Amino acid sequence: DAGVIQSPRHEVTEMGQEVTLRCKPISGHDYLFWYRQTMMRGLELLIYFNNNVPIDDSGMPEDRFSAKMPNASFSTLKIQPSEPRDSAVYFCASSFQDREVETQYFGPGTRLLVL
Amino acid sequence: DAKTTQPPSMDCAEGRAANLPCNHSTISGNEYVYWYRQIHSQGPQYIIHGLKNNETNEMASLIITEDRKSSTLILPHATLRDTAVYYCIVGDMGRRALTFGSGTRLQVQP
Repeated sequence: DAGVIQSPRHEVTEMGQEVTLRCKPISGHDYLFWYRQTMMRGLELLIYFNNNVPIDDSGMPEDRFSAKMPNASFSTLKIQPSEPRDSAVYFCASSFQDREVETQYFGPGTRLLVL
Repeated sequence: DAKTTQPPSMDCAEGRAANLPCNHSTISGNEYVYWYRQIHSQGPQYIIHGLKNNETNEMASLIITEDRKSSTLILPHATLRDTAVYYCIVGDMGRRALTFGSGTRLQVQP
């Protein structure tokens, strides 16, 4: 099993540009989560999906952020336009509903720097 | 979700047991205790979970007090590779999202 795959691993962009982060969850997992980690705020949940449907997006900072899951094996997190304060590590995680407890498997993260 | 309190940092000698405490005095009856860790520059990694009883797996042991208001994660023989931030999280099965606090930074010393 390849685990959760994220791309790109590093992204450097200029303020105002569009940024798209990608995630491939573990095959068979039906929950997908997007987190953001900064020194100031720690690890924060942005949004999560169940069977490709967004369930809770209350952590999405503002309208500049959007997330989609067009199918069970792919999700994107888009920031448009990007701002320097969006600089962070963005993690994707997935889990399997049939488990009674929440065991999430995290990807390696995308390190985003907005100049 | 119940809030957790952990010491910000701890040191442990290599080969010794590392005992990481967590206070979760507002935990409710249907909430589990989860432990994750994050090694530098990597995504968080699940370690163990428990509801009432003590639990053990290949990575660690989890001791939960009888009143469930606190727990301790035990790494029986810490190695340098166990240096990481350890997160204690409380959550119920109904809500899938986990809320990460600031965790305990464990430094294993040679």
